[in-house]
Amino acid sequence: DAGITQSPRHKVTETGTPVTLRCHQTENHRYMYWYRQDPGHGLRLIHYSYGVKDTDKGEVSDGYSVSRSKTEDFLLTLESATSSQTSVYFCAISARGGAGYEQYFGPGTRLTVT
Amino acid sequence: AQTVTQSQPEMSVQEAETVTLSCTYDTSESNYYLFWYKQPPSRQMILVIRQEAYKQQNATENRFSVNFQKAAKSFSLKISDSQLGDTAMYFCAFILQGAQKLVFGQGTRLTINP
Repeated sequence: DAGITQSPRHKVTETGTPVTLRCHQTENHRYMYWYRQDPGHGLRLIHYSYGVKDTDKGEVSDGYSVSRSKTEDFLLTLESATSSQTSVYFCAISARGGAGYEQYFGPGTRLTVT
Repeated sequence: AQTVTQSQPEMSVQEAETVTLSCTYDTSESNYYLFWYKQPPSRQMILVIRQEAYKQQNATENRFSVNFQKAAKSFSLKISDSQLGDTAMYFCAFILQGAQKLVFGQGTRLTINP
């Protein structure tokens, strides 16, 4: 257990509404990540953070933004949700510095956009 | 671009049998890390085992072991004495040294039958 929580765990929202998912960690790790999981695609990186206010894009970042104002919290925002963003979202942390080390995942958030 | 391929979408074995899950990857780099993650029906992503590419010795964690063939770019997972609790999706993942993005395969659904 890497001390990662995600909220909410489930959310249903309508197309065009903004949505914010929260990832919270208790172990002061520097690196945090947001992935999405879709059938047939495994997990794909959306954005990551390498410190407070330091973030960068992953491979599927369009339509998403992130913020990290505190070490323990990493927020993922869908500015205007679309049906293609229906997915399971996982937060992860890198326990050993992020340079090629294993990542540990939170429990996931199932988001449905209707 | 790095890719990870899991050629077995589904597998099924009897309890106590040994099962091997296949994974191949594609990269032109020399320094990287490989992982197997387990995702049971609870949806939690659980790290099973990791392998550093510079290590020739195959990693082992209790009933789980890997067969790492660097030249062939192959990284299979062997589960010995399989248990009902091993029923899950298994994902092979790859990350370059110094990179942030874990690249996942599409997963193998493993069912252990009583």
